[in-house]
Amino acid sequence: AQSVTQLGSHVSVSEGALVLLRCNYSSSVPPYLFWYVQYPNQGLQLLLKYTSAATLVKGINGFEAEFKKSETSFHLTKPSAHMSDAAEYFCAVSDSRGKLIFGQGTELSVKP
Amino acid sequence: ETGVTQTPRHLVMGMTNKKSLKCEQHLGHNAMYWYKQSAKKPLELMFVYNFKEQTENNSVPSRFSPECPNSSHLFLHLHTLQPEDSALYLCASSPSKAAGGVGYTFGSGTRLTVV
Repeated sequence: AQSVTQLGSHVSVSEGALVLLRCNYSSSVPPYLFWYVQYPNQGLQLLLKYTSAATLVKGINGFEAEFKKSETSFHLTKPSAHMSDAAEYFCAVSDSRGKLIFGQGTELSVKP
Repeated sequence: ETGVTQTPRHLVMGMTNKKSLKCEQHLGHNAMYWYKQSAKKPLELMFVYNFKEQTENNSVPSRFSPECPNSSHLFLHLHTLQPEDSALYLCASSPSKAAGGVGYTFGSGTRLTVV
């Protein structure tokens, strides 16, 4: 069965610092992988997705993620954090029937 | 209007009230979902509809009653709720239930408070 583990329920970085949010997945089939962002009292917005094309995926707001099959990882990065990046981030994997399985979420705080 | 629209954005209801949440999508999708998001808890998938038919009910209490009259509209009827039902209720849609590579489009949610 597919599953997703996000390491760290809360990550804090300084403005201008590297953002690294970790996601490991388990899948018995070639996975589709997603990162979503949720701002307070909002729905989830798609940041980027991996669908077996390029392993380095670029998304909105300067975020990118790299699919590493050998490590079963799909970590989200951004070179320089901005205050507006403070939000909750969800990693998700699509199971063999097409249903999205979400991780527990990682709350990102950005300090001035 | 495009995307997934949820109304109302905020709802306060007493435990004896009956209310409904509405979700509408203008994306031509055929699958729709209800999620519950409580503070400090993971997303909980409640119901899945595919081409108007309910395909999944994840042991949701009967005080939550979904309705999907067509592929564009999804309702969640609420009655005799408990304070622990207070949460953000999110609606999502996708081209079909099996559209694994596309992902879901979410609405902005309804913040429900049960008093």
